[in-house]
Formats: sequence, C-alpha cells, structure tokens
Amino acid sequence: DQQVKQNSPSLSVQEGRISILNCDYTNSMFDYFLWYKKYPAEGPTFLISISSIKDKNEDGRFTVFLNKSAKHLSLHIVPSQPGDSAVYFCAARGISGGYNKLIFGAGTRLAVHP
Amino acid sequence: DTGVSQNPRHKITKRGQNVTFRCDPISEHNRLYWYRQTLGQGPEFLTYFQNEAQLEKSRLLSDRFSAERPKGSFSTLEIQRTEQGDSAMYLCADYAGGIDGYTFGSGTRLTVV
Repeated sequence: DQQVKQNSPSLSVQEGRISILNCDYTNSMFDYFLWYKKYPAEGPTFLISISSIKDKNEDGRFTVFLNKSAKHLSLHIVPSQPGDSAVYFCAARGISGGYNKLIFGAGTRLAVHP
Repeated sequence: DTGVSQNPRHKITKRGQNVTFRCDPISEHNRLYWYRQTLGQGPEFLTYFQNEAQLEKSRLLSDRFSAERPKGSFSTLEIQRTEQGDSAMYLCADYAGGIDGYTFGSGTRLTVV
C-alpha cells in the first residue's frame, strides 16, 4: 500500500527552464507534505513543505502547490540550475500513536543540463 | 551540533553474518528514527525511539532485526543472519521539532554477498 507515489523516476530539464516534479498521495489524514533533496552519498535534506490547509508555499526558486481534492502536489523550480540535479523525494507526515513519521515516495531524479 | 553521524558508511558482509550499525544523533534531540532505502525506492520507516523507548516497529523489521537506544543517546541497529535482501542504505534521522526538524545522517550502505 504505497501511500505516497512519485510516478516519474526521472526528469531532464535545460538550465533556466522550469522543473515540475509531481507527487500523489492516498491518505487524506496527512497534515504536512515535504520535499527533500538527496545527493549521492548524503542523507536527504529538507527543501520545502506545505501544510494540508494551504494550496501554495513559495521559497525563492521553489514553489510547492497542493491540490487536496486531487490528492496531488507538485514542486516547481524556476529557474532550474545545474546544482539542482539530485533526487527529489516527496514525503507526507502522518501522526499515529501521538508521534509523527514521514512516508516517502520513490523519488524523481532531476538532471538539469547547461 | 555536528549533525547526525552514522558508522560505518559502507559495510560488505557475507550472507549469514551479523552486522551492527551505529547512529549518533544531535545531542538533546530525544526522537530518533531508522529508515531503510533500497534501490529505486524512497526511505521506508523501520522504527522510532522516544529517548530510550522503542515506540514503533515496522513490519519490515523482521525478527532478525533489533534496534536499541541505551540511555537515549546513540542508537544501534543489528541485523542477524543477513540475507541478500537486506542490502540497502540504512538511514538514521533525529527530530528537533517543527516541520523541518528531521535531520538525516548520510546512511550506512550495506551489501550482502
């Protein structure tokens, strides 16, 4: 039962253009959604988040959009830079037993070409 | 505050051997998580500690797996009688509160041959 899905394993974008990474979820009880970025041989690092009661959150070149009715969120990176090349994980925060934990999607590998 | 440290970074072991990984979280953070990441997948939750108490174990954690967090500081994850399917990246994270409060270590990559 994959509660968080990233259906695109990879994405290739030209430098300066927009990168759009997508994520779908099934559990309407998630209260926050997060995006993590992962470089090889490093752990995931936090990028941006959005509350389930919001539909947009922006931080510099990164914007996350949430469509609750469709159970879909997306991460927009504008303009894309070669240093953005990494694996991006969508994660949802669930709460059970009084504590929270993250449930991750399979990730999308973004390659930004000069 | 030097981040979450995991040792070893890489471990190659023969099938059937026991292995132990260590995670040193950022001091004073009382919540600690273990995740496992296999090729082409995202991190999957394994277990969670609040101080020294292990509060949840995923069904992914078979009887061959055991985790401890003595004194609520560092944590160890032991795998007994390793199998090739145990080959994965094992990630530790601590939690400082808030939405962005998870800090992941660089992980231990286990290869079972």
